[in-house]
Amino acid sequence: GNSVTQMEGPVTLSEEAFLTINCTYTATGYPSLFWYVQYPGEGLQLLLKATKADDKGSNKGFEATYRKETTSFHLEKGSVQVSDSAVYFCALESNRDDKIIFGKGTRLHILP
Amino acid sequence: GAGVSQSPSNKVTEKGKDVELRCDPISGHTALYWYRQSLGQGLEFLIYFQGNSAPDKSGLPSDRFSAERTGGSVSTLTIQRTQQEDSAVYLCASSFGFAGELFFGEGSRLTVL
Repeated sequence: GNSVTQMEGPVTLSEEAFLTINCTYTATGYPSLFWYVQYPGEGLQLLLKATKADDKGSNKGFEATYRKETTSFHLEKGSVQVSDSAVYFCALESNRDDKIIFGKGTRLHILP
Repeated sequence: GAGVSQSPSNKVTEKGKDVELRCDPISGHTALYWYRQSLGQGLEFLIYFQGNSAPDKSGLPSDRFSAERTGGSVSTLTIQRTQQEDSAVYLCASSFGFAGELFFGEGSRLTVL
């Protein structure tokens, strides 16, 4: 079946550091890929998405490129801020059954 | 309403009791999902409704769990004979169309004593 694997956290970085959170997937067909974010005390919200191979999703300085050859959708940001501290979830939606499944989440701590 | 509404926000129950959790999705959204969020377990898929199609129940952990969606809108997740391992935050989300953004409710925190 379909699955999403993302790096375990927590990830702790200093402000202005470069961020990468790895995400790989297994899926039949041609899934759409997503990153969701859960800020402390808030609900999950969409951060960015990509719906086909080589697409790049971007938002709030974050980027992720849909790599079909490596089945990956790594999240990157060039210079993180304290306000980026949150839990980040990678997700996929299969075009076979439309079901959206999530990875286990990666907690990110940014130190001032 | 403006967003996905879930109730109750908190529920404490005794082991063996039945509980019902309610989700009111965004009006017009055809897809509705239930997930369970436990510490260290991420978001566990439970069940998915899409329009008038038969629901995808493949994530329900046991036959004590069931869900229905009435009139293509409000959904109720029922857990019978609750166990301590059922303690978690139960999240509901809705969306419109394929690859559409999922909008999440605030969740129902269930504690089974």
